[in-house]
Amino acid sequence: EAQVTQNPRYLITVTGKKLTVTCSQNMNHEYMSWYRQDPGLGLRQIYYSMNVEVTDKGDVPEGYKVSRKEKRNFPLILESPSPNQTSLYFCASRQTVYAETADTQYFGPGTRLTVL
Amino acid sequence: QQPVQSPQAVILREGEDAVINCSSSKALYSVHWYRQKHGEAPVFLMILLKGGEQKGHEKISASFNEKKQQSSLYLTASQLSYSGTYFCGTELTGNQFYFGTGTSLTVIP
Repeated sequence: EAQVTQNPRYLITVTGKKLTVTCSQNMNHEYMSWYRQDPGLGLRQIYYSMNVEVTDKGDVPEGYKVSRKEKRNFPLILESPSPNQTSLYFCASRQTVYAETADTQYFGPGTRLTVL
Repeated sequence: QQPVQSPQAVILREGEDAVINCSSSKALYSVHWYRQKHGEAPVFLMILLKGGEQKGHEKISASFNEKKQQSSLYLTASQLSYSGTYFCGTELTGNQFYFGTGTSLTVIP
């Protein structure tokens, strides 16, 4: 079954305590992405990766880091979380952005993060 | 960069039709449409590429006007299961991705 998994699903932490949210896909997709969703603002892209070792900033990258050492994994790292990073986070993957035909983007189930 | 969606919210009775619009100020590489139910992840509906349109689901179709940088999602003969928030997503270069702020659709019996 095509799947994007995220862990943890829920996380409550305190300001400044480093955390990592993992994301893994089983579809051998090249393109992976992280989004945050906030009421009234919709989904905003944080970082994306075109392939292994290739990452780039999205619309709201400040305060986040990512890495893409393996094709299937794309962890999101918050080195020093702050309350304004409280949000619902989604990881997503697509085969590629260069396909000339329809290309489904699959989303993980989401991680609800609260930073106190 | 964020596309503008209209309307923000719509309420329909079962069987009625709806149109959701998505407009960008930038030239678009592609437009995606997603539906999200409360507490769940967005679910891909369809993608429209420059030079064409694609129908992803029965009774749900979309169009893409490249010259105007606009896309519209058409829901015909709505069903209760259509309720949710609909997002358009736009790609400017094929790399960065921008979502609209969403349209809440409620279908009532």
